[in-house]
Amino acid sequence: DAGVIQSPRHEVTEMGQEVTLRCKPISGHNSLFWYRQTMMRGLELLIYFNNNVPIDDSGMPEDRFSAKMPNASFSTLKIQPSEPRDSAVYFCASSPLGTNGYTFGSGTRLTVV
Amino acid sequence: AQSVTQLDSQVPVFEEAPVELRCNYSSSVSVYLFWYVQYPNQGLQLLLKYLSGSTLVESINGFEAEFNKSQTSFHLRKPSVHISDTAEYFCAVISGGSNYKLTFGKGTLLTVNP
Repeated sequence: DAGVIQSPRHEVTEMGQEVTLRCKPISGHNSLFWYRQTMMRGLELLIYFNNNVPIDDSGMPEDRFSAKMPNASFSTLKIQPSEPRDSAVYFCASSPLGTNGYTFGSGTRLTVV
Repeated sequence: AQSVTQLDSQVPVFEEAPVELRCNYSSSVSVYLFWYVQYPNQGLQLLLKYLSGSTLVESINGFEAEFNKSQTSFHLRKPSVHISDTAEYFCAVISGGSNYKLTFGKGTLLTVNP
């Protein structure tokens, strides 16, 4: 199994541009999570899906952020328009439905200049 | 609501010394507890977990953690650390009824010095 795959690994973009982060969960995992990690705020849960359905998006900072999971093998996190304060490492994680813990991807380091 | 408190943001130790990273949780229902490790510029890796049964759980690289329900704690310990253990360690909890949502503490940076 290749694990949770995120792309791109690094993204540098200018303020105001649209950014799309991608995630492929582990096959068979029913739950998918998007986290953001910064020095100031640590790990923040942005949104999570169970069986492709968004369960809790209360962590999405504002309307500029949106996430989709069109099928069990793919999810996107979009920021439009991007701002410098969005600079962070964004992690995707997946798990079987239940209590076994998550498997994390390697993350996307986003820099908005 | 579930929450996790990691009492130390940084723990510096010398190589071969013992270490304890503290974690306390709050939840009104049954809990499942985890420790994750993040090496520099990498993602988080599951180190160990407590789901049920024996309250003492171990990892393959010598770490152990003990679930203490009365003290609502899940401290991580290692009797002798290596320089390669330098990393950030995150305690996390899933509580019953949370829809399997994993809540993380703010992390403890363990720095092992020669």
